[in-house]
Amino acid sequence: NAGVTQTPKFQVLKTGQSMTLQCAQDMNHNSMYWYRQDPGMGLRLIYYSASEGTTDKGEVPNGYNVSRLNKREFSLRLESAAPSQTSVYFCASSEKGFYNSPLHFGNGTRLTVT
Amino acid sequence: LAKTTQPISMDSYEGQEVNITCSHNNIATNDYITWYQQFPSQGPRFIIQGYKTKVTNEVASLFIPADRKSSTLSLPRVSLSDTAVYYCLVGDSAGNMLTFGGGTRLMVKP
Repeated sequence: NAGVTQTPKFQVLKTGQSMTLQCAQDMNHNSMYWYRQDPGMGLRLIYYSASEGTTDKGEVPNGYNVSRLNKREFSLRLESAAPSQTSVYFCASSEKGFYNSPLHFGNGTRLTVT
Repeated sequence: LAKTTQPISMDSYEGQEVNITCSHNNIATNDYITWYQQFPSQGPRFIIQGYKTKVTNEVASLFIPADRKSSTLSLPRVSLSDTAVYYCLVGDSAGNMLTFGGGTRLMVKP
């Protein structure tokens, strides 16, 4: 099993450009999440999807949109990238949702906005 | 949001037992406590999860007192490869989202 797969691994954008970060999981998990991690910091929740067809804002949703395309896939879109969005983005999934269900993470997308 | 407080960093030596404590004063009745390990350039990895008292698996033990306002991750006989950042995580009181704290950076020395 691949687990949680994120693409691309690295990306450089200019201010104002848009892009979509892709995430797919093969564990048949119900819930999926997007986090960002700034250098030397913990992870902050951007958006999450408790189940297919639902999405909700996390701690830092401004400047982002998400799509839960199907049970496997959860994408994160930056419509107009800003330097403050330079970060490492992690996608995660869990079986049952926030309660009592460990998160499984991908290896991240490293995004630089110049 | 449920907040967690951990020491920013800890040092240890190979072969020692390491205990990392996390404070979570506003943990909700139904919340579990979960610990993750993160190496550089990787996503966090699940270590252990518990609700109360003590849980042990092949890599760690988790001690949770009766009031559940804190928890302690215990790593027996650490090695250099245990150098990483360790996060504790609990759900918020409404059960709506999970936010990581700053984590504890563990440095294991030879």
